Amino acid sequence: GAVVSQHPSRVICKSGTSVKIECRSLDFQATTMFWYRQFPKQSLMLMATSNEGSKATYEQGVEKDKFLINHASLTLSTLTVTSAHPEDSSFYICSASRAKTDTQYFGPGTRLTVL
Amino acid sequence: AQSVTQPDIHITVSEGASLELRCNYSYGATPYLFWYVQSPGQGLQLLLKYFSGDTLVQGIKGFEAEFKRSQSSFNLRKPSVHWSDAAEYFCAVGVESGGSYIPTFGRGTSLIVHP
Repeated sequence: GAVVSQHPSRVICKSGTSVKIECRSLDFQATTMFWYRQFPKQSLMLMATSNEGSKATYEQGVEKDKFLINHASLTLSTLTVTSAHPEDSSFYICSASRAKTDTQYFGPGTRLTVL
Repeated sequence: AQSVTQPDIHITVSEGASLELRCNYSYGATPYLFWYVQSPGQGLQLLLKYFSGDTLVQGIKGFEAEFKRSQSSFNLRKPSVHWSDAAEYFCAVGVESGGSYIPTFGRGTSLIVHP
């Protein structure tokens, strides 16, 4: 149990376009979902935390207008990278937890390449 | 603020040899500690976690970790490494925030396994 999926696994887009990444908890209801960004050979950096039905809480330095997060249901959260630029190219990973004090279960990640 | 140090960027072992990956943390309260493994291009998989109780924690895939409060350490061990264990390993300390445990990750240790 506790499987998290992400779609798409890879996406290539042109500079200036917007990209939506989906994160789904397949076999449990996720009270809280998290979005991370990982640069090559580096650790994960938390971007934002979202609770179902509430606005996301963004970490310091993360532009909320650029990285739009929606957590409309207990099984789905989306991250939209608006007006993407090459510097937004990265590996984006989501995670989900069943309860606030539960372990986070991670998705397989989405590789975004902006040309 | 909390932090996690993984002093070894790379570790190389021969298949069948024992393994120890080091992790030191800095946190003012009782820590919640995690070890995750990441295969290339993949998300993170939880190996084990420590919340309380027995300081020697057993995880999946034959891994174990020992919490030593006096040394602020949570080293990961495996008695006999398999080639499939080659991956990136992340230690994390979970900090309570808004009712959730937000992991702060170390920079990771890359495990290379020689046949």
